[in-house]
Amino acid sequence: NAGVTQTPKFRILKIGQSMTLQCTQDMNHNYMYWYRQDPGMGLKLIYYSVGAGITDKGEVPNGYNVSRSTTEDFPLRLELAAPSQTSVYFCASSQREAFFGQGTRLTVV
Amino acid sequence: RKEVEQDPGPFNVPEGATVAFNCTYSNSASQSFFWYRQDCRKEPKLLMSVYSSGNEDGRFTAQLNRASQYISLLIRDSKLSDSATYLCVVNGPADFGNEKLTFGTGTRLTIIP
Repeated sequence: NAGVTQTPKFRILKIGQSMTLQCTQDMNHNYMYWYRQDPGMGLKLIYYSVGAGITDKGEVPNGYNVSRSTTEDFPLRLELAAPSQTSVYFCASSQREAFFGQGTRLTVV
Repeated sequence: RKEVEQDPGPFNVPEGATVAFNCTYSNSASQSFFWYRQDCRKEPKLLMSVYSSGNEDGRFTAQLNRASQYISLLIRDSKLSDSATYLCVVNGPADFGNEKLTFGTGTRLTIIP
Protein backbone atom coordinates (compact mmCIF):
# COMPACT_ATOMS: atom_id res chain seq x y z
CA ASN A 1 0.00 0.00 0.00
CA ALA A 2 3.01 2.37 -0.13
CA GLY A 3 2.21 4.14 -3.43
CA VAL A 4 4.32 7.31 -3.62
CA THR A 5 6.63 8.04 -0.70
CA GLN A 6 8.30 11.40 -0.15
CA THR A 7 10.95 12.27 2.39
CA PRO A 8 11.44 14.39 4.38
CA LYS A 9 7.99 15.70 5.36
CA PHE A 10 9.37 18.96 6.74
CA ARG A 11 12.68 20.77 6.38
CA ILE A 12 14.14 24.16 7.22
CA LEU A 13 17.13 25.23 5.13
CA LYS A 14 19.41 28.21 5.38
CA ILE A 15 19.97 30.36 2.31
CA GLY A 16 22.66 28.82 0.13
CA GLN A 17 22.35 25.30 1.54
CA SER A 18 21.62 22.30 -0.65
CA MET A 19 19.30 19.37 -0.20
CA THR A 20 17.67 16.49 -2.02
CA LEU A 21 13.99 15.69 -1.77
CA GLN A 22 13.45 11.98 -2.18
CA CYS A 23 10.54 10.37 -4.04
CA THR A 24 9.92 6.66 -4.54
CA GLN A 25 6.99 4.84 -6.10
CA ASP A 26 6.25 1.13 -6.08
CA MET A 27 3.56 1.01 -8.79
CA ASN A 28 5.97 0.61 -11.74
CA HIS A 29 4.68 3.85 -13.27
CA ASN A 30 6.64 5.34 -16.15
CA TYR A 31 5.66 8.97 -15.57
CA MET A 32 6.87 10.85 -12.50
CA TYR A 33 6.49 14.54 -11.67
CA TRP A 34 7.67 17.17 -9.23
CA TYR A 35 5.36 20.08 -8.39
CA ARG A 36 5.62 23.01 -6.05
CA GLN A 37 2.62 24.70 -4.51
CA ASP A 38 2.80 28.11 -2.89
CA PRO A 39 0.13 29.14 -0.34
CA GLY A 40 -3.27 29.66 -1.99
CA MET A 41 -1.91 28.85 -5.44
CA GLY A 42 -2.14 25.96 -7.87
CA LEU A 43 0.41 23.28 -8.65
CA LYS A 44 3.38 24.35 -10.75
CA LEU A 45 5.31 21.66 -12.62
CA ILE A 46 9.06 21.75 -11.94
CA TYR A 47 10.31 18.67 -13.78
CA TYR A 48 8.87 15.44 -15.07
CA SER A 49 10.16 12.12 -16.36
CA VAL A 50 8.68 9.70 -18.89
CA GLY A 51 10.89 6.82 -17.80
CA ALA A 52 14.28 5.86 -16.41
CA GLY A 53 17.01 8.02 -17.91
CA ILE A 54 14.62 10.59 -19.40
CA THR A 55 13.71 13.90 -17.77
CA ASP A 56 12.30 17.17 -19.02
CA LYS A 57 11.67 20.67 -17.68
CA GLY A 58 8.30 21.89 -16.55
CA GLU A 59 7.23 25.50 -16.18
CA VAL A 60 9.45 26.44 -13.18
CA PRO A 61 12.72 24.43 -13.41
CA ASN A 62 15.21 27.15 -12.42
CA GLY A 63 17.09 26.37 -9.22
CA TYR A 64 16.29 22.64 -9.34
CA ASN A 65 17.76 19.50 -10.83
CA VAL A 66 16.44 15.96 -11.16
CA SER A 67 17.65 12.52 -12.14
CA ARG A 68 15.84 9.27 -12.92
CA SER A 69 18.25 6.35 -12.75
CA THR A 70 15.52 3.81 -11.92
CA THR A 71 11.80 3.50 -12.54
CA GLU A 72 11.12 3.79 -8.81
CA ASP A 73 13.12 6.87 -7.79
CA PHE A 74 12.92 10.51 -8.87
CA PRO A 75 14.91 12.76 -6.51
CA LEU A 76 14.74 16.56 -6.70
CA ARG A 77 17.89 18.52 -5.92
CA LEU A 78 18.07 22.12 -4.69
CA GLU A 79 21.63 23.35 -5.07
CA LEU A 80 21.62 26.86 -3.58
CA ALA A 81 18.46 27.35 -1.58
CA ALA A 82 16.75 30.74 -1.83
CA PRO A 83 13.77 32.15 0.12
CA SER A 84 11.73 32.00 -3.11
CA GLN A 85 11.95 28.21 -2.90
CA THR A 86 9.93 28.15 0.31
CA SER A 87 6.96 26.03 -0.72
CA VAL A 88 5.25 22.66 -0.48
CA TYR A 89 6.71 20.13 -2.89
CA PHE A 90 4.67 17.22 -4.22
CA CYS A 91 5.94 14.23 -6.11
CA ALA A 92 3.53 12.20 -8.24
CA SER A 93 3.57 9.20 -10.55
CA SER A 94 1.15 8.10 -13.23
CA GLN A 95 0.41 5.41 -15.73
CA ARG A 96 -3.07 6.76 -16.36
CA GLU A 97 -4.33 8.62 -13.28
CA ALA A 98 -1.76 10.25 -10.98
CA PHE A 99 -0.94 9.35 -7.40
CA PHE A 100 0.73 11.86 -5.10
CA GLY A 101 3.08 11.69 -2.18
CA GLN A 102 2.14 13.49 1.02
CA GLY A 103 4.38 16.45 0.28
CA THR A 104 7.50 18.07 1.68
CA ARG A 105 7.09 21.42 3.43
CA LEU A 106 10.29 23.37 2.85
CA THR A 107 11.18 26.68 4.46
CA VAL A 108 14.29 28.60 3.40
CA VAL A 109 15.46 31.23 5.89
CA ARG B 1 -3.90 29.61 -24.31
CA LYS B 2 -3.24 27.47 -21.24
CA GLU B 3 -3.45 23.71 -21.70
CA VAL B 4 -6.05 23.40 -18.95
CA GLU B 5 -8.11 26.32 -17.62
CA GLN B 6 -10.41 26.53 -14.64
CA ASP B 7 -12.30 29.32 -12.92
CA PRO B 8 -10.35 29.72 -9.65
CA GLY B 9 -13.45 30.77 -7.71
CA PRO B 10 -13.99 30.91 -4.83
CA PHE B 11 -17.43 29.40 -5.03
CA ASN B 12 -19.33 29.94 -1.76
CA VAL B 13 -22.38 27.71 -1.80
CA PRO B 14 -25.02 27.00 0.87
CA GLU B 15 -25.22 23.48 2.21
CA GLY B 16 -27.65 21.35 0.21
CA ALA B 17 -27.25 23.34 -2.99
CA THR B 18 -26.05 22.07 -6.36
CA VAL B 19 -22.83 23.46 -7.77
CA ALA B 20 -21.10 22.92 -11.11
CA PHE B 21 -17.58 23.61 -12.35
CA ASN B 22 -16.29 23.64 -15.89
CA CYS B 23 -12.78 23.14 -17.18
CA THR B 24 -11.55 23.76 -20.72
CA TYR B 25 -8.59 22.06 -22.39
CA SER B 26 -6.60 23.03 -25.47
CA ASN B 27 -5.32 19.72 -26.86
CA SER B 28 -8.04 18.14 -28.99
CA ALA B 29 -6.06 14.88 -29.00
CA SER B 30 -6.42 14.44 -25.22
CA GLN B 31 -7.84 11.07 -24.28
CA SER B 32 -8.04 10.90 -20.49
CA PHE B 33 -9.76 13.27 -18.11
CA PHE B 34 -10.03 13.35 -14.35
CA TRP B 35 -11.26 15.40 -11.42
CA TYR B 36 -9.08 15.57 -8.32
CA ARG B 37 -9.85 16.96 -4.90
CA GLN B 38 -7.30 18.77 -2.75
CA ASP B 39 -7.91 19.60 0.89
CA CYS B 40 -5.98 22.40 2.54
CA ARG B 41 -2.29 21.54 2.97
CA LYS B 42 -2.85 17.98 1.68
CA GLU B 43 -1.92 16.16 -1.50
CA PRO B 44 -4.43 16.00 -4.39
CA LYS B 45 -6.46 12.80 -4.55
CA LEU B 46 -8.42 11.28 -7.41
CA LEU B 47 -12.13 12.07 -7.15
CA MET B 48 -13.28 10.49 -10.38
CA SER B 49 -12.34 9.74 -13.94
CA VAL B 50 -14.41 11.35 -16.71
CA TYR B 51 -15.71 9.09 -19.44
CA SER B 52 -17.05 10.03 -22.86
CA SER B 53 -20.56 8.92 -21.96
CA GLY B 54 -20.49 10.81 -18.67
CA ASN B 55 -20.40 9.11 -15.32
CA GLU B 56 -21.89 9.42 -11.88
CA ASP B 57 -20.59 8.52 -8.44
CA GLY B 58 -23.15 9.20 -5.74
CA ARG B 59 -23.72 12.96 -5.59
CA PHE B 60 -21.02 13.66 -8.17
CA THR B 61 -21.53 13.69 -11.94
CA ALA B 62 -18.79 14.26 -14.50
CA GLN B 63 -19.38 15.10 -18.16
CA LEU B 64 -17.12 15.42 -21.18
CA ASN B 65 -17.86 17.61 -24.20
CA ARG B 66 -15.26 16.85 -26.84
CA ALA B 67 -16.71 19.23 -29.44
CA SER B 68 -16.29 22.22 -27.14
CA GLN B 69 -13.27 20.74 -25.32
CA TYR B 70 -14.50 21.00 -21.78
CA ILE B 71 -15.27 18.76 -18.86
CA SER B 72 -17.65 19.49 -16.02
CA LEU B 73 -18.25 18.38 -12.46
CA LEU B 74 -21.66 18.62 -10.81
CA ILE B 75 -22.08 18.20 -7.07
CA ARG B 76 -25.64 17.71 -5.82
CA ASP B 77 -26.90 18.14 -2.25
CA SER B 78 -23.56 19.66 -1.21
CA LYS B 79 -22.14 18.82 2.22
CA LEU B 80 -19.80 20.79 4.45
CA SER B 81 -17.22 18.08 3.80
CA ASP B 82 -17.24 18.95 0.08
CA SER B 83 -15.32 22.15 0.87
CA ALA B 84 -12.02 21.75 -0.98
CA THR B 85 -10.20 22.72 -4.15
CA TYR B 86 -11.21 20.73 -7.23
CA LEU B 87 -8.55 20.17 -9.88
CA CYS B 88 -9.23 19.35 -13.50
CA VAL B 89 -6.66 17.00 -15.06
CA VAL B 90 -6.15 16.22 -18.74
CA ASN B 91 -3.55 14.08 -20.45
CA GLY B 92 -1.20 15.88 -22.80
CA PRO B 93 0.50 14.69 -25.99
CA ALA B 94 1.31 11.02 -25.77
CA ASP B 95 4.99 10.14 -25.54
CA PHE B 96 6.37 6.63 -25.75
CA GLY B 97 2.88 5.19 -25.53
CA ASN B 98 2.13 6.89 -22.21
CA GLU B 99 0.38 10.11 -21.28
CA LYS B 100 1.71 13.18 -19.50
CA LEU B 101 -0.94 14.65 -17.24
CA THR B 102 -1.59 18.39 -17.02
CA PHE B 103 -3.30 19.86 -13.97
CA GLY B 104 -5.51 22.92 -13.88
CA THR B 105 -4.91 25.43 -11.10
CA GLY B 106 -8.08 24.38 -9.31
CA THR B 107 -11.46 25.79 -8.29
CA ARG B 108 -11.94 26.55 -4.62
CA LEU B 109 -15.30 25.53 -3.16
CA THR B 110 -16.60 26.49 0.28
CA ILE B 111 -19.90 25.06 1.52
CA ILE B 112 -21.62 27.42 3.92
CA PRO B 113 -23.75 26.02 6.78
